[in-house]
Amino acid sequence: DAGVIQSPRHEVTEMGQEVTLRCKPISGHDYLFWYRQTMMRGLELLIYFNNNVPIDDSGMPEDRFSAKMPNASFSTLKIQPSEPRDSAVYFCASSPTGKATNEKLFFGSGTQLSVL
Amino acid sequence: KNQVEQSPQSLIILEGKNCTLQCNYTVSPFSNLRWYKQDTGRGPVSLTIMTFSENTKSNGRYTATLDADTKQSSLHITASQLSDSASYICVVSLYGGSQGNLIFGKGTKLSVKP
Repeated sequence: DAGVIQSPRHEVTEMGQEVTLRCKPISGHDYLFWYRQTMMRGLELLIYFNNNVPIDDSGMPEDRFSAKMPNASFSTLKIQPSEPRDSAVYFCASSPTGKATNEKLFFGSGTQLSVL
Repeated sequence: KNQVEQSPQSLIILEGKNCTLQCNYTVSPFSNLRWYKQDTGRGPVSLTIMTFSENTKSNGRYTATLDADTKQSSLHITASQLSDSASYICVVSLYGGSQGNLIFGKGTKLSVKP
């Protein structure tokens, strides 16, 4: 199993540009999560999906952020327009059933986003 | 407010030495507590998951303890190796919540020097 796959690994863009981050979850996992990690705030949940349906997007910071999951094997996180304060590492994670009791969360390697 | 506090923020130890990382939480109601290891440039990887009734759980040289009464957990690393250099994140889950209800600590950055 290749694990959760994210692309690109690094993204450098200028303020005002559109940024699209991509994620392929582990096959068979029903839940997909998008997180943002900064030194100041640690890991923060942005949005998560169950069977391709968004369940909770209360962590999305602004309307500039949007996420989609058109099928079970692909999700995108889009920022438009991007701002320097969006600079962070964005992680995608997946889990089999989403039950918190004893189920592991599997993370991708992240996308390092720098907005100049 | 549900919070997870970790200490110390950073720690430097010599290879072969033991160390203990601390996690205090105010999450209620509590379901389980997890420790993750995050290598530089990588995503977090699960080390242990402990439920309310578990006091200790080991994964190789990593041993996690949980005191649900005092709401404290520790991660003990025995005979440290250079590959243990990473950030260690404590995560607490709300009872009845899904994986979308995890409260993350900010992590302890461990550096193991030769």
